[in-house]
Amino acid sequence: DTEVTQTPKHLVMGMTNKKSLKCEQHMGHRAMYWYKQKAKKPPELMFVYSYEKLSINESVPSRFSPECPNSSLLNLHLHALQPEDSALYLCASSRVGTSSSYNEQFFGPGTRLTVL
Amino acid sequence: AQSVTQLGSHVSVSEGALVLLRCNYSSSVPPYLFWYVQYPNQGLQLLLKYTTGATLVKGINGFEAEFKKSETSFHLTKPSAHMSDAAEYFCAVRLSAGGTSYGKLTFGQGTILTVHP
Repeated sequence: DTEVTQTPKHLVMGMTNKKSLKCEQHMGHRAMYWYKQKAKKPPELMFVYSYEKLSINESVPSRFSPECPNSSLLNLHLHALQPEDSALYLCASSRVGTSSSYNEQFFGPGTRLTVL
Repeated sequence: AQSVTQLGSHVSVSEGALVLLRCNYSSSVPPYLFWYVQYPNQGLQLLLKYTTGATLVKGINGFEAEFKKSETSFHLTKPSAHMSDAAEYFCAVRLSAGGTSYGKLTFGQGTILTVHP
């Protein structure tokens, strides 16, 4: 299984809602990533988890709260979002190695989020 | 710091013509380089990667890229374009060493490839 799955595919939420995005992989990867991609822009890294511990937080606002409950799952909890947070949210995973390892990232199809 | 520049936000070719998408990078240490393709409303798919060794890298769907250190370039080519190649292409760089850069890919701005019949 070389697939990263994400649910839901589409999500519409109001600014007062609380919702969660889910990501799952069964490739045995121990690094998982959240990216945000605005229209016609490249993906921007938000968070990196390594061995279920948060290792990189790219100064993301606290209304985005990541969680890695086990080695296969990654969640992104959303609360009090703004319309400008509307974007495609991509999950990725990779092996963990030394800093000299290339560890290519495998991406999921993304969740298209619209904040009203 | 590392950065990637993709020259040309849009490239248009005829079916059967050569595809050339340009990527230049800036990195203080030897980089790892990647090309990803993104079809509309989909995630990113890895086309090919350069890590070490052979500078001419072959990928999926007939694409290849050549790492030229002297030119700090990693251009993507395909000898004959197909309609199904129409998509957005991203060049990305990752440092080969440095703990603070662990896991971090830096993407170029992307190039949208259009293929005309």
